[in-house]
Amino acid sequence: SQKIEQNSEALNIQEGKTATLTCNYTNYSPAYLQWYRQDPGRGPVFLLLIRENEKEKRKERLKVTFDTTLKQSLFHITASQPADSATYLCALDGGSNYQLIWGAGTKLIIKP
Amino acid sequence: GAGVSQSPSNKVTEKGKDVELRCDPISGHTALYWYRQRLGQGLEFLIYFQGNSAPDKSGLPSDRFSAERTGESVSTLTIQRTQQEDSAVYLCASSFPDKETQYFGPGTRLLVL
Repeated sequence: SQKIEQNSEALNIQEGKTATLTCNYTNYSPAYLQWYRQDPGRGPVFLLLIRENEKEKRKERLKVTFDTTLKQSLFHITASQPADSATYLCALDGGSNYQLIWGAGTKLIIKP
Repeated sequence: GAGVSQSPSNKVTEKGKDVELRCDPISGHTALYWYRQRLGQGLEFLIYFQGNSAPDKSGLPSDRFSAERTGESVSTLTIQRTQQEDSAVYLCASSFPDKETQYFGPGTRLLVL
């Protein structure tokens, strides 16, 4: 079955540094992958979508890469700020035109 | 415009009771999803509505779970005879048809004692 892995341990990063989060998947070839941010007590908020034919996508301080050979996506936040502290979820195209398969998320903590 | 809203925000109930959770999607979003999120886990798909098409109920964990949607607006998720393992955050999301991005509500935190 499809499996998504995100680092379950919290990631602690010093303010101003680049934070890199990893999303690995197995037994699947998704057409696209999405990253969402989730703050405590809130629902996930969409950040970026990258398709299988795209290697990299950027949005302001965010960058996502998608390596279909390694079956891995990396999510980077440059010049990180304490306000970037949240849990980041990756979600893969579930094969239908609407289903997403979700990772458990990685908690990011940016220390001032 | 207004985002997805859910009510109640928190619900504490006793084992065996029925609960009803409500979701108001973004106006114009014909697609609506319900998810369950247990602590420290990813989102678990429950059910999907798209317009007047038959809903995809493949994610509902048991026949104690059911959901309805009135046209392209409000949806309710009902859990009958609640069990302690039903304790979780129930999230609703909506989207335009055939669009990958989903917009989430704040969730309902359900605690079954």
